Amino acid sequence: AQSVTQPDIHITVSEGASLELRCNYSYGATPYLFWYVQSPGQGLQLLLKYFSGDTLVQGIKGFEAEFKRSQSSFNLRKPSVHWSDAAEYFCAVGLMDSSYKLIFGSGTRLLVRP
Amino acid sequence: SQTIHQWPATLVQPVGSPLSLECTVEGTSNPNLYWYRQAAGRGLQLLFYSVGIGQISSEVPQNLSASRPQDRQFILSSKKLLLSDSGFYLCAWSVKSGGTGTGELFFGEGSRLTVL
Repeated sequence: AQSVTQPDIHITVSEGASLELRCNYSYGATPYLFWYVQSPGQGLQLLLKYFSGDTLVQGIKGFEAEFKRSQSSFNLRKPSVHWSDAAEYFCAVGLMDSSYKLIFGSGTRLLVRP
Repeated sequence: SQTIHQWPATLVQPVGSPLSLECTVEGTSNPNLYWYRQAAGRGLQLLFYSVGIGQISSEVPQNLSASRPQDRQFILSSKKLLLSDSGFYLCAWSVKSGGTGTGELFFGEGSRLTVL
């Protein structure tokens, strides 16, 4: 069965420090992978996606993610975190059948120290 | 451009009362539609999805139901709410598979339901 694991429930980083959020997936076929961000009480906004081609994908707000098939991972990175990046981040794998369902991880809450 | 609207934004209901959450999409046609629930401190659980009018797939057996009376309208309902129905409900849409989309979902702003 398809699944997504985000092993870190919370992560705290200092403003200006680098960030890496981990994501591992389980899916039998070539995955479509996504990272979404959610501010408190809001919907989800797409940060970036991978579906083919270059395994390093760039997203909005200075985020990037790297797809590593051998490790079944799709980790999210940012070289310098801003206070406004504090939010919850969700990794998801897309089922590319007619449903286009997304299976989400449990999320990682990012806290930013001033 | 496409937009998605969800209402009400906040709802407080007593146990045993009915529920109706509505979602509409503008600027696109024949989308796939989804209802997700996010319980406190947990990830997103897919409840229902629909690939067309009157076509509803349920992911999790529960106290809720969904309907799609029009192409761009998706409704989440319950006849009698339970305490465990409390949570943050998110509606989303996607482009049909085989089209120009690449599978991403576009989410509404969510509806927070508190059952007392």
